[in-house]
Amino acid sequence: EAQVTQNPRYLITVTGKKLTVTCSQNMNHEYMSWYRQDPGLGLRQIYYSMNVEVTDKGDVPEGYKVSRKEKRNFPLILESPSPNQTSLYFCASKTLQGTQYFGPGTRLTVL
Amino acid sequence: DQQVKQNSPSLSVQEGRISILNCDYTNSMFDYFLWYKKYPAEGPTFLISISSIKDKNEDGRFTVFLNKSAKHLSLHIVPSQPGDSAVYFCAAQRDAGKSTFGDGTTLTVKP
Repeated sequence: EAQVTQNPRYLITVTGKKLTVTCSQNMNHEYMSWYRQDPGLGLRQIYYSMNVEVTDKGDVPEGYKVSRKEKRNFPLILESPSPNQTSLYFCASKTLQGTQYFGPGTRLTVL
Repeated sequence: DQQVKQNSPSLSVQEGRISILNCDYTNSMFDYFLWYKKYPAEGPTFLISISSIKDKNEDGRFTVFLNKSAKHLSLHIVPSQPGDSAVYFCAAQRDAGKSTFGDGTTLTVKP
């Protein structure tokens, strides 16, 4: 089954404790991306990657890091999380033609 | 500068009637437009798309219209069904790359 998986689905952490949210896709898509969804602000892109070892900033990259060492994986790293990073996070992948497949979401709470 | 806007946060429609969701954009370089649907506790799923070289695309009950001169697109759902109740996101992109999303419109279809 074609899918994008994210782990964990739910995470509660404290300020400053480094965390990683994993994302994996099994569709051999070149393009992968991370979004955050906040009430009234829709989906805002954090980082994206056009292919292995190629990453670029989206609209709200501050406080986040990513890496793309393999085509299927695109982890999101928060080196020192802060409460304003409490949000719902979605990973997505797509063909270069443009239809994105989204993961189920990770709800992160930073205390 | 929000490049993609959905000015109606919510829309309520009676079952069987037409639902019209609107989206405006400012960047004339966008060449591909998509609509995604999102249920609670799930990631967005692709619904329908349209290339900038077309003005209409139809898929069953869903039709997307694009007015390039007005930088406006709309999604028509006919007839609306209770299962269509969800958040609908409009997205725009250029050169098969980065997607920019609107804030979403919550559609409620009443039985």
